[in-house]
Amino acid sequence: DVKVTQSSRYLVKRTGEKVFLECVQDMDHENMFWYRQDPGLGLRLIYFSYDVKMKEKGDIPEGYSVSREKKERFSLILESASTNQTSMYLCASRPVNNSPLHFGNGTRLTVT
Amino acid sequence: GQNIDQPTEMTATEGAIVQINCTYQTSGFNGLFWYQQHAGEAPTFLSYNVLDGLEEKGRFSSFLSRSKGYSYLLLKELQMKDSASYLCAVRDSNYQLIWGAGTKLIIKP
Repeated sequence: DVKVTQSSRYLVKRTGEKVFLECVQDMDHENMFWYRQDPGLGLRLIYFSYDVKMKEKGDIPEGYSVSREKKERFSLILESASTNQTSMYLCASRPVNNSPLHFGNGTRLTVT
Repeated sequence: GQNIDQPTEMTATEGAIVQINCTYQTSGFNGLFWYQQHAGEAPTFLSYNVLDGLEEKGRFSSFLSRSKGYSYLLLKELQMKDSASYLCAVRDSNYQLIWGAGTKLIIKP
């Protein structure tokens, strides 16, 4: 079974802090994604990566950046956390374009 | 703009059948996915439709009509463990996924 692991289930950070959310997948998938999930809204794509060192902006990249130095790891960075970034963050991966996504269990981030 | 509509919440009885609808308006179409998400857990893949018709997988079936921009997920012989949110997602012409807000399904004994 594919495993997508997010380093933290719950995080509480203060406004202005730099926040790192880590995601690791163990199936050598090329594509990796970061979404946020908020009540009443569909998943919104923040950033994605089709390969190592590659990154593409999704629908809501403002206030975020990403890093993919190794194939298995895709990090989401909040340069200066704000309260409107309080959300559930989901990482996902897939081998190729036509495959379904495999999701991690999510990180619930609260910014106070 | 692009839009996916699904009911916010549905209630059904254990052992019964429930149909969760999804309508979409997207720029192009390259397939429709259904995912299940239990509270506090990761979404997990249920089904994929790219051609019109019904795809059956055990107790779950998914139907697609591309001309109507419509899909449904049919769950038979409902079990308490089927209580979850069901997410509909459409892949558009750029191969990006557009997600519905999800339907929370409540199963009552």
